[in-house]
Amino acid sequence: GAVVSQHPSWVICKSGTSVKIECRSLDFQATTMFWYRQFPKQSLMLMATSNEGSKATYEQGVEKDKFLINHASLTLSTLTVTSAHPEDSSFYICSAEGDGTYEQYFGPGTRLTVT
Amino acid sequence: AQSVSQHNHHVILSEAASLELGCNYSYGGTVNLFWYVQYPGQHLQLLLKYFSGDPLVKGIKGFEAEFIKSKFSFNLRKPSVQWSDTAEYFCAGSNDMRFGAGTRLTVKP
Repeated sequence: GAVVSQHPSWVICKSGTSVKIECRSLDFQATTMFWYRQFPKQSLMLMATSNEGSKATYEQGVEKDKFLINHASLTLSTLTVTSAHPEDSSFYICSAEGDGTYEQYFGPGTRLTVT
Repeated sequence: AQSVSQHNHHVILSEAASLELGCNYSYGGTVNLFWYVQYPGQHLQLLLKYFSGDPLVKGIKGFEAEFIKSKFSFNLRKPSVQWSDTAEYFCAGSNDMRFGAGTRLTVKP
């Protein structure tokens, strides 16, 4: 149980375009989902906390107009990287919190390459 | 600022050696702490967690961690490592979902 999926697993886009990444909790309802960014050989950096039905809470330094997060249902959150630039190239990971457990279940990540 | 820190960036051990990875936190009040592992090419998995109660927490694959409030520490231990334990280990606190920098463990066969 407690499986989280991400789609796509790998995407290449041209500079200036937008990319949407989906995060789904497959067998449980996730009131809260988190989006992280991981640079090579570095730790996860929390970008934002997403609560179903409300606006996401962004960490300091993360542009909310560039990284649009939508959590429309208890099983789906999306991250849209708008007007992508090469410096946005990274590994994006989502996680979902089991209701009341404080435990996070992680997706496999999405590798974004902006050319 | 509330944070979780890991001071060991890369640890290299031989098989059967004992392991201890450091994790310190700076939260006040209620603390929920986790250790996650990321094997090469795989996504993060939970090793163990501490919410309250017995400060010695046992997790999967023979790992354990001890919550020492006076030292603000939650170190990860394993008495005898195996080659298959080679991975990246992350300590995390749930108060603000922040992760430590991670410790890369390499176990030589």
